[in-house]
Amino acid sequence: KQEVTQIPAALSVPEGENLVLNCSFTDSAIYNLQWFRQDPGKGLTSLLLIQSSQREQTSGRLNASLDKSSGRSTLYIAASQPGDSATYLCARRGADSWGKLQFGAGTQVVVTP
Amino acid sequence: DTAVSQTPKYLVTQMGNDKSIKCEQNLGHDTMYWYKQDSKKFLKIMFSYNNKELIINETVPNRFSPKSPDKAHLNLHINSLELGDSAVYFCASSLTGFGNTIYFGEGSWLTVV
Repeated sequence: KQEVTQIPAALSVPEGENLVLNCSFTDSAIYNLQWFRQDPGKGLTSLLLIQSSQREQTSGRLNASLDKSSGRSTLYIAASQPGDSATYLCARRGADSWGKLQFGAGTQVVVTP
Repeated sequence: DTAVSQTPKYLVTQMGNDKSIKCEQNLGHDTMYWYKQDSKKFLKIMFSYNNKELIINETVPNRFSPKSPDKAHLNLHINSLELGDSAVYFCASSLTGFGNTIYFGEGSWLTVV
C-alpha cells in the first residue's frame, strides 16, 4: 500500500517556467515532511524540511507548502533552469515513527534549454 | 568534507558471497540509518540506530546485519547474497530521530550476479 504519492511521475518544461510538484500522503499524523533532490547515480540532497506546525518553507527559488488536513505538500520551483533537471522526492515522517521516512516514488523533472 | 560517506560505491559479487558496506558521518549526529532503493526507485528504511543502539529493524531478512561500533559509524553486513539483494543502499544520518533534516550518503550500488 503506497502511503506517499507523487504526481506527476515525470514532467518536462522549457527553461524559465515555474515547476509545481505534488506530494500527497494518506496519514495526516505527520511530524514533518522533507523534500529531496536525486541526480542520476547520486545520493539524495535535502532541499527543504517542513515541520508539522509550519505551513511553508522557502529557500531561494524553492518554496514548499504543507497542508496537513488535506494530506498534501507542494514544491514550487520558480524560473526553472536546466540544472534543476533531477528526480524530486518527498518523504513523510510520521508522528509515531521515530526516525523513519516514508518516501514517494518521485517526480522526474527535465528542464529543456 | 563529505558529511556522510559510504564505501564501496560500486560492488559486483556472486550469489552466496558475504559482503559489507561501511558508513561514516562527520556531522556529530546521534542517529544513523540504512535505506534501500530498489529497481523501481522506491526508498525504504531498513535499520535505524541511535547512539549505537538499534531502534528500527524494518522486517529485513536476518542475512542483513547492521553494526554500529560508535555513533559516527554504521556498517551493513550481508550474508549469503541473493539476486534480489541487488539495489542501491543508502546510509543517512540526522541529529536525532525526530524533527531534524536527514542527510544521505551517495549510495552503494550492489549487483549480485
